[in-house]
Formats: sequence, structure tokens, C-alpha cells
Amino acid sequence: RKEVEQDPGPFNVPEGATVAFNCTYSNSASQSFFWYRQDCRKEPKLLMSVYSSGNEDGRFTAQLNRASQYISLLIRDSKLSDSATYLCVVIPPDSGTYKYIFGTGTRLKVLA
Amino acid sequence: NAGVTQTPKFQVLKTGQSMTLQCAQDMNHNSMYWYRQDPGMGLRLIYYSASEGTTDKGEVPNGYNVSRLNKREFSLRLESAAPSQTSVYFCASRTQGRVSYEQYFGPGTRLTVT
Repeated sequence: RKEVEQDPGPFNVPEGATVAFNCTYSNSASQSFFWYRQDCRKEPKLLMSVYSSGNEDGRFTAQLNRASQYISLLIRDSKLSDSATYLCVVIPPDSGTYKYIFGTGTRLKVLA
Repeated sequence: NAGVTQTPKFQVLKTGQSMTLQCAQDMNHNSMYWYRQDPGMGLRLIYYSASEGTTDKGEVPNGYNVSRLNKREFSLRLESAAPSQTSVYFCASRTQGRVSYEQYFGPGTRLTVT
């Protein structure tokens, strides 16, 4: 099993729709989780950290489910500008917090 | 505040040539990283530097060397480039907080080895 797994998509959704992505991780002791956004041919940019209590930032909500070992990202009222690849990132417990494991990303296309 | 900068943006090398990728950050971060990104494989860690004066191998260090020149700068060197090193290279640095380990990335270097 890969350390971090994501559905590659693409998820094609109309403007205004709500869309959710999941990301599963293999090491149950992992402590830190993030969602990054990456536009085509650009660098990854931090979207949000994922805390145990969840995290919300405007239209974006991130959740952590430790029992099932996944994190989720919910995007409400999708905009054309949300079209991008969303990367899930996990810091495994044996890395001294210095090593980050990146998923391969989920591609989102928001359609007019 | 430029964040993380990388040079060059693009580079084409012939097999066997050497080059150094430069990275600098102005956020006073202790930790810096080099990743490569290939289609379908996600970002993979090449080397990292937890603090000035230290460097450690990541997942794919073979064929690369690094130098943490000072707190701001972290360079990646390819001594003898191979076609398998064709990739996009990203440098990143990390925030200091004990509970926050957010990384910030530079714009990347697109390297082609022929």
C-alpha cells in the first residue's frame, strides 16, 4: 500500500457545485496533514493545514478521520479558478517532522 | 518579501554535463528542501537541510549533491547529468513553529537532459 493515496481524477464539476476529495494514508501514527494546490506548470501552494478538529477557510473545509486514516477536502460553490490539482501531504511519525510524503494529486476541472 | 526563489527557470543539459540549481529564501526559515516532480509520481524528496550546517538524504538522492551555503541558500548539484534526471525541481523552506510545519515552494526549475 502506498503511504499516501489519492484518486487522480479528473473530477469535472459545474460552477457552483460542491466537490469532495479524499486522501488515505498508511501510517496510523502520522500527525501532520496538509492540502496543497498546484496549477499547471506551477509550484505547489499551501491551501490549508488539517487539524484534528478540522479546518475551514471560506469555501474550503478539511477534515481528518483518524479511525479510517484519511483526510478530506470539501470545496463548496466551486469557481472556475478552483481548477487545479490538489495534493495531499502527510508527515509520517518516523521522519523527525522533516520528511513530507506527497500524494500524486487529484485533478479538478470546474466547468462553466 | 520574495519568499523562495530559484534559478535558473529552465535548463537543457547534455548527458554528462554538470550544473548547480540555486535556491534562496528570505523568510528566515531554518529548514530547506529539494524535490523533483515527475508525471504520475508526485513530489519526491531529494535532500533536505534541517538547519544551517546540516544536510540529509531524502527518498531519491543518487546522482545529486547539496550545499547549505548559509541560512538563506541551499543549492543542488548534478555532477554528471543523465536523461533520468529530466524533471521539474522544486526548492522549499519550512516555517519554524512547533505545531506548524508548513512548506513554501519556489517556482521550480525545468531541467531537460538529452
